[in-house]
Amino acid sequence: DVVMTQTPVSLPVSLGGQASISCRSSQSLVHSNGNTYLHWYLQKPGQSPQLLIYRVSNRFSGVPDRFSGSGSGTDFTLKISRVEPEDLGDYYCLQSTHFPLTFGSGTKLEIK
Amino acid sequence: EVQLVESGGGLVQPGRSLKLSCVASGFTFNNYWMTWIRQAPGKGLEWVASITNTGGSTYYPDSVKGRFTISRDNAKSTLYLQMNSLRSEDTATYYCTRGAHPAYWGQGTLVTVSS
Repeated sequence: DVVMTQTPVSLPVSLGGQASISCRSSQSLVHSNGNTYLHWYLQKPGQSPQLLIYRVSNRFSGVPDRFSGSGSGTDFTLKISRVEPEDLGDYYCLQSTHFPLTFGSGTKLEIK
Repeated sequence: EVQLVESGGGLVQPGRSLKLSCVASGFTFNNYWMTWIRQAPGKGLEWVASITNTGGSTYYPDSVKGRFTISRDNAKSTLYLQMNSLRSEDTATYYCTRGAHPAYWGQGTLVTVSS
């Protein structure tokens, strides 16, 4: 199984500041079709997860451009600039290149 | 607007069975793979099962293989998860999601396995 190592576990940030979350996979996430199926989700308190970024760097519908994704192969990053109160919650990466699908263990973004 | 509405959760004894349903609307159901994902209380996310758009192929992790069965009725735009031989570690909120690479999520239904 592909192990997704997500860091940090907790990320205190100041409102208006920047946050960066890392996700590393135990093997390449490049699919045989050439796509890389690495996605980022935010789960706000008491809510279902919502898709932020799909296939490494594509913002999902309605996601503000403060959110950006980058990376390749086995090393991926989610950056949040100008953090706002509604950005707080748990962030997860997901790889869906290989079965079984596997998630990172999560990063809690909280106010410093 | 894409909507996914799960139902069927509840309290069940270990070893018993439960069947979850998810009614989809706002998109052409039979064009999409569908996926179940769960989250134990206070824990992270775990993939449970996926099914192709025709229902012809299904996929499971080892943790539920042989106990859970994902299925769909495209005429009713409904996804199912039949869960047999339930264990305490299956206690979780179960989310219905659209796609092999989950984009849209339902609100979840809580399954509690306890005597």
